[in-house]
Amino acid sequence: QVQLVESGGGLVKPGGSLRLSCAASGFTFSDNHMSWIRQAPGKGLEWVSYISSSGSTTYCADSVKGRFTTSRDNAKNSLFLQMDSLRAEDTALYYCARGGGNYPSVYWGQGTLVTVSS
Amino acid sequence: QSALTQPASVSGSPGQSITISCTGSSSDIGGYNYVSWYQQHPGKAPKLMIYDVSVRPSGVSNRFSGSKSGNTASLTISGLQAEDEADYYCSSYTSGSHVVFGGGTKLTVL
Repeated sequence: QVQLVESGGGLVKPGGSLRLSCAASGFTFSDNHMSWIRQAPGKGLEWVSYISSSGSTTYCADSVKGRFTTSRDNAKNSLFLQMDSLRAEDTALYYCARGGGNYPSVYWGQGTLVTVSS
Repeated sequence: QSALTQPASVSGSPGQSITISCTGSSSDIGGYNYVSWYQQHPGKAPKLMIYDVSVRPSGVSNRFSGSKSGNTASLTISGLQAEDEADYYCSSYTSGSHVVFGGGTKLTVL
């Protein structure tokens, strides 16, 4: 069965960095576009980024442009989100999801919590 | 890119039908047939209920249906059940290959 397991979240100070990972299994990872979506505590969903199946194309929300970088390792069935220059408003539960762009996000992980606070 | 506009809350009694609207612009909902709807129960990950405006994924009850007119998409739930009580989010593909979500609607089953 499809599984997406995020890791790497934690408490970080403003201006700091964090690298999230998403381990995928149960499907052909290299055939699928992937996305990161976040949800601040008690708030709604916010799209963060998209990466194509090959990794050659990425897009990200204006709110994280220039600070977050999305990448993948198809040999290791893994998705990554490098987050730099973190701000308090980046505090959220970060989900990885299979799909993205004009492909629906059918499968989601359980999320990893990122807290940015001094 | 501004978030899509959804009502903050809707409610209905068991057995009734409710409709949740999602309003965007010609750059998102009006320009593409890539509207999705997600259901989220407290403490759980979102679940895809509708994609491509009106397509139900395998396993989703046919009580859930989607439609679109102009810049507004709608999710209709018929025969409301207690288990339908959850938050619902719309999303749309946008110009620039981005995705935008609605602010979410809390559905209360009375």
